[in-house]
Amino acid sequence: GESVGLHLPTLSVQEGDNSIINCAYSNSASDYFIWYKQESGKGPQFIIDIRSNMDKRQGQRVTVLLNKTVKHLSLQIAATQPGDSAVYFCADLPSGTSYGKLTFGQGTILTVHP
Amino acid sequence: SQTIHQWPATLVQPVGSPLSLECTVEGTSNPNLYWYRQAAGRGLQLLFYSVGIGQISSEVPQNLSASRPQDRQFILSSKKLLLSDSGFYLCAWERRGDTEAFFGQGTRLTVV
Repeated sequence: GESVGLHLPTLSVQEGDNSIINCAYSNSASDYFIWYKQESGKGPQFIIDIRSNMDKRQGQRVTVLLNKTVKHLSLQIAATQPGDSAVYFCADLPSGTSYGKLTFGQGTILTVHP
Repeated sequence: SQTIHQWPATLVQPVGSPLSLECTVEGTSNPNLYWYRQAAGRGLQLLFYSVGIGQISSEVPQNLSASRPQDRQFILSSKKLLLSDSGFYLCAWERRGDTEAFFGQGTRLTVV
């Protein structure tokens, strides 16, 4: 991911709707991708990851889609709940590098209205 | 179970004052340790990482330094803070060979 600009993208949804958060990455050598959720004043929490040999991975209420052709990653949250309100970050890791050397995107603010 | 502690949670410091943020990890040995900074409206930027005691690598030139005096202790320091050092600082650890990093709760630093 790339950090650009000063204002985070925002997404507002109604409770029960499905949410889709998008992310573009720039390093074609990246082979591992992660989505993090960061609630206000807290550290990021791991949500789901995907390797470059996959194009889709599902978790509990979340699905990550990877399109390597256009270097695009998305996080789909089904039946969004107020507790899902947070900033969501994508991160990527080039092959052969340490996990902690992730490159984070700028984040997207998700607001869920009851 | 493993836990990571980071303190203080918030800090307000005058320009030119020193800084010391501490991070400790419990329940694991020989972790990789990381310091990240998150400026307002930005993603996470890796500042330092350490693969062992006394081994520190810096990712970006800056006014900060890091030290690892013990296996599970990682310290972020500055001799003289700048206004631009304000931000949210996060410590993280990973188990060698694992596929997940764990973040501390963060320290919100405001330099005034």
